[in-house]
Amino acid sequence: ETGVTQSPTHLIKTRGQQVTLRCSSQSGHNTVSWYQQALGQGPQFIFQYYREEENGRGNFPPRFSGLQFPNYSSELNVNALELDDSALYLCASSPAGFLNYGYTFGSGTRLTVV
Amino acid sequence: AQKVTQAQTEISVVEKEDVTLDCVYETRDTTYYLFWYKQPPSGELVFLIRRNSFDEQNEISGRYSWNFQKSTSSFNFTITASQVVDSAVYFCALSEAKAAGNKLTFGGGTRVLVKP
Repeated sequence: ETGVTQSPTHLIKTRGQQVTLRCSSQSGHNTVSWYQQALGQGPQFIFQYYREEENGRGNFPPRFSGLQFPNYSSELNVNALELDDSALYLCASSPAGFLNYGYTFGSGTRLTVV
Repeated sequence: AQKVTQAQTEISVVEKEDVTLDCVYETRDTTYYLFWYKQPPSGELVFLIRRNSFDEQNEISGRYSWNFQKSTSSFNFTITASQVVDSAVYFCALSEAKAAGNKLTFGGGTRVLVKP
């Protein structure tokens, strides 16, 4: 079975621009979560999607938004990029019945805002 | 609010030495889950273990072992006879046990460097 794949792997954007990051969940997983990991820190929860709807959100402004598609893949959109948005963005998927499994993480997208 | 603290930012050992990583957590929930993840230089978080708050039985899996003590809110992790391939950042994480919308709260991570 394939794991979680994220694209692109690296991205450089200019302050004020918009960016879209993509994630394909592991086969059989219908829940996708996004995390932001600044350099030298632990990942911070952005939001979670379940059956195409937002299902929990962390302390991130509305310019961070997302989508989940019928095939359970997901997008993270960030508008009006700021320098502090530079980070590794991790996508994680899990099957229904989270309580029995840990999340499976992708390798992340490294976003640099200049 | 949930909080996870990993007081050790970096540990350096020589191959074959044992390494113990400390994790202390805070939560008001009576039911919760604790995790350890490994993050190699490639970036992905690799799941190592999950424990629920009612399972204080400690476990050994190969060279890895875990010590969960609810009374002190600690969930420590030990690598026995470390190897160079164990070099990575290790994260302790805490999750609620809700039916949906669960999020992982991570500690700041401990970088382990195993020298040959």
